[in-house]
Amino acid sequence: KAGVTQTPRYLIKTRGQQVTLSCSPISGHRSVSWYQQTPGQGLQFLFEYFSETQRNKGNFPGRFSGRQFSNSRSEMNVSTLELGDSALYLCASSPRTSGSPDTQYFGPGTRLTVL
Amino acid sequence: AQSVTQLDSHVSVSEGTPVLLRCNYSSSYSPSLFWYVQHPNKGLQLLLKYTSAATLVKGINGFEAEFKKSETSFHLTKPSAHMSDAAEYFCVVSDLKDTGRRALTFGSGTRLQVQP
Repeated sequence: KAGVTQTPRYLIKTRGQQVTLSCSPISGHRSVSWYQQTPGQGLQFLFEYFSETQRNKGNFPGRFSGRQFSNSRSEMNVSTLELGDSALYLCASSPRTSGSPDTQYFGPGTRLTVL
Repeated sequence: AQSVTQLDSHVSVSEGTPVLLRCNYSSSYSPSLFWYVQHPNKGLQLLLKYTSAATLVKGINGFEAEFKKSETSFHLTKPSAHMSDAAEYFCVVSDLKDTGRRALTFGSGTRLQVQP
């Protein structure tokens, strides 16, 4: 089975712009979660989607949003970019909703740099 | 609420010597615990997970971890380090949020260096 894929792998934007990142889960996986990884804050949970519905949300401002499509692919969007949004954004998929401790499988990440 | 503390930000060992990466957790409920490894410019790879079955969990690449409820610890060990083990390791707890749904909380990571 192909793993979790994320596009693009690298992205450079300027402050005030918006960005959309894409994640394709492992085939058959219905849950997709997003994480932000920075040297200062470490790995932080952004949100989780299952069956096109947001099931869980971390403590991030409303500039961070996401959605999931019927084929389980997910996108996350960050509007009005700030320098502090520079990070590695990781997507993870698991077979079902996080009602039980399913293992999450991570993609390689998208490295976003905000100038 | 749950939290995860990785007691060492950096660990350096010689090739062929044992590895010990320490993790303590706090949790309001019965947690599930994971260890993930991240090589440079890569995503996270699952090493092993504990989900209330056997307290000694064996993972990939010779790693294992022991769940000790009395000590709230889940330390990662390997008998003999290999150069390819050099990476960052994350201890992770899956626990119930206030929403009633589980979410992952990550430790701050331990960078393992392996000296030849």
